[in-house]
Amino acid sequence: QVQLQESGPGLVKPSETLSLTCAVSGYSISSGYYWGWIRQPPGKGLEWIGSIYHSGSTYYNPSLKSRVTISVDTSKNQFSLKLSSVTAADTAVYYCARLRIAAAGTGFDIWGQGTMVTVSS
Amino acid sequence: EIVMTQSPATLSVSPGERATLSCRASQSVSSNLAWYQQKPGQAPRLLIYGASTRATGIPARFSGSGSGTEFTLTISSLQSEDFAVYYCQQYNNWPSFTFGPGTKVDIK
Repeated sequence: QVQLQESGPGLVKPSETLSLTCAVSGYSISSGYYWGWIRQPPGKGLEWIGSIYHSGSTYYNPSLKSRVTISVDTSKNQFSLKLSSVTAADTAVYYCARLRIAAAGTGFDIWGQGTMVTVSS
Repeated sequence: EIVMTQSPATLSVSPGERATLSCRASQSVSSNLAWYQQKPGQAPRLLIYGASTRATGIPARFSGSGSGTEFTLTISSLQSEDFAVYYCQQYNNWPSFTFGPGTKVDIK
């Protein structure tokens, strides 16, 4: 079955760049689907960060757009998130997920387990 | 930007009882709404999309309804595994998404 796994540093210093990777298994990214990043600060709700199509087309949350870059590496079957100039407000669990799009509707149907990233000096 | 609100913030329900959760959009999202369930320490799980279509493997006790700005998630008879936080999410202004703040369903 399709599985997603986030990886990256758990601690990032303020003003630096947060970098995470989502490895996809059980499905070839180049075959299709959109893929996304969602985050959740401790004790708070979910925030969509951005999405990418297998072709490389990207879509970002307007509130984060100036700091976010999402890219895809089909040769490694993974996609990545970079968030620059981080502050303590970026401390969160970061999830990667597959975006299911169908005539009946859309939703993030497969999620990684999430990775906690803390921004602190 | 479409703002999503959910009520109540916390819903206390006894096992076997019915739970009704509400989600409201600041402007019409048609039927472009999904619901997720999240248990502590776990990733969210997609329950409903298209406002009323159950995702794969979701039990029939979960049902969604509504369109426009008002939506409801109903759990017909709460099981112990259903105590969790539930989020609605609009995708009407695709490719941008916004989530509601969540409703926590806990044991009465």
